[in-house]
Amino acid sequence: EVHLVESGGGLVQPGRSLRLSCAASGFSFDDYAMHWVRQAPGKGLEWVSSITWNGNSIGYADSVRGRFTISRDDAKNSLYLQMDSLRPEDTALYYCAKGRGGSSTSCLASWGQGTLVTVSS
Amino acid sequence: DIQMTQSPSSVSASVGDRVIITCRASQGISTWLAWYQQKPGKAPKVLIYSASSLQSGVPSRFSGNYSGTDFTLTISSLQPEDFATYYCQQTNSLPLTFGGGTKVEIK
Repeated sequence: EVHLVESGGGLVQPGRSLRLSCAASGFSFDDYAMHWVRQAPGKGLEWVSSITWNGNSIGYADSVRGRFTISRDDAKNSLYLQMDSLRPEDTALYYCAKGRGGSSTSCLASWGQGTLVTVSS
Repeated sequence: DIQMTQSPSSVSASVGDRVIITCRASQGISTWLAWYQQKPGKAPKVLIYSASSLQSGVPSRFSGNYSGTDFTLTISSLQPEDFATYYCQQTNSLPLTFGGGTKVEIK
């Protein structure tokens, strides 16, 4: 069974940094693209970033490009999101999701339960 | 970027009703569309991928269809556990984009 567990969220001041982690189990992690999706309180879903199975192709939403960095460590079955220069509008529940295949352009087949990031002074 | 326009934003329906949710893409995406269900306080769950393929384990009362850039999610006979918010997402190209969501409420 696929299991995704996010961690690293919390309360942070504007302009500071935070690193999210996602621990994966129950599947061959290095065969699949991975994604981060966020959901602001009471709002809809927003795709944030994705990385292909081999890490060769990475994509970001315009709203986070240049501030966030996605990475993966296949040896640790882990996905990361380094978030710098955080803004209040980055406040959201951040989900880690497994792609249906190795490409970034695949549906999000499995999701974690999310980690909450709150950006406020 | 590809915009996904989802309608209606909310619908009130009764158990046993047929519910249809629509999503329109701003440009051609072939059949690269997925539908998700999200219940309050829970993570989203994929129902349909490639516009009309049913994800394993999803009840057959859910179905997806398409015509050009218009996509539909149909719940043939609404069950109590189907009251939730539904999102479409295009998976044709980055950035992946979601529709605004449709909340299915109890009438």
